[in-house]
Amino acid sequence: EVQLVESGGGPVKPGGSLRLSCEASGFMFSTYSMNWVRQAPGKGLEWVSSISSSSTFTDYADSVRGRFSISRDNAKNSLYLHLNSLRVEDTAVYYCAREIYYYSGYLDSWGQGTLVTVSS
Amino acid sequence: SYELTQPPSVSVSPGQTVTITCSADKLGDKHACWYQQKPGQSPVLIIYQDSKRPSGIPERFSGSNSGKTATLTISGTQTIDEADYYCQGWDRNTVVFGGGTKLTVL
Repeated sequence: EVQLVESGGGPVKPGGSLRLSCEASGFMFSTYSMNWVRQAPGKGLEWVSSISSSSTFTDYADSVRGRFSISRDNAKNSLYLHLNSLRVEDTAVYYCAREIYYYSGYLDSWGQGTLVTVSS
Repeated sequence: SYELTQPPSVSVSPGQTVTITCSADKLGDKHACWYQQKPGQSPVLIIYQDSKRPSGIPERFSGSNSGKTATLTISGTQTIDEADYYCQGWDRNTVVFGGGTKLTVL
């Protein structure tokens, strides 16, 4: 069974930093691209970042580019999101999700999410 | 920029059929997929590659893609189907979500 478990969320002040983690199990983590998706309170889903299986390719939403950094450790079956220069509008539940690609990509498995609250 | 447009809300009576649309200027050469999200829960993939259902998703959920509009159809809607539904496309190797549609079953 595919499992994705996020951690690392919590309260942080504007301008602060945080590192989110996503521990994967039940599948060959090193062969899948992975994504982070966030959802602000009462709002829709927003794609944040993606990383290819071997970390060769990464991409970011314009709203976080230059402030967030995605990485992974295939030996530890773990995905990370480093959040820097946090803003109030970054407050959201952050989900990690596994990507399947066949002509286009979709996210077939999601974690339970971790809440990041940016407030002074 | 690439945008996917969904109606903010749709309502249906139990047992009836409902459709939720997802429109874009150029959706057709890429597959669309759909997620269901219930309050307090993570999104669940219910349709991928336009019309395929993952294991465990009821047959009453179906999807289609006409080129500019992807459509999610729920036949014989049940009260448990009340949820938010998001379409997702693919642009320049990244995920793009529609704004979401709140389905009310009443």
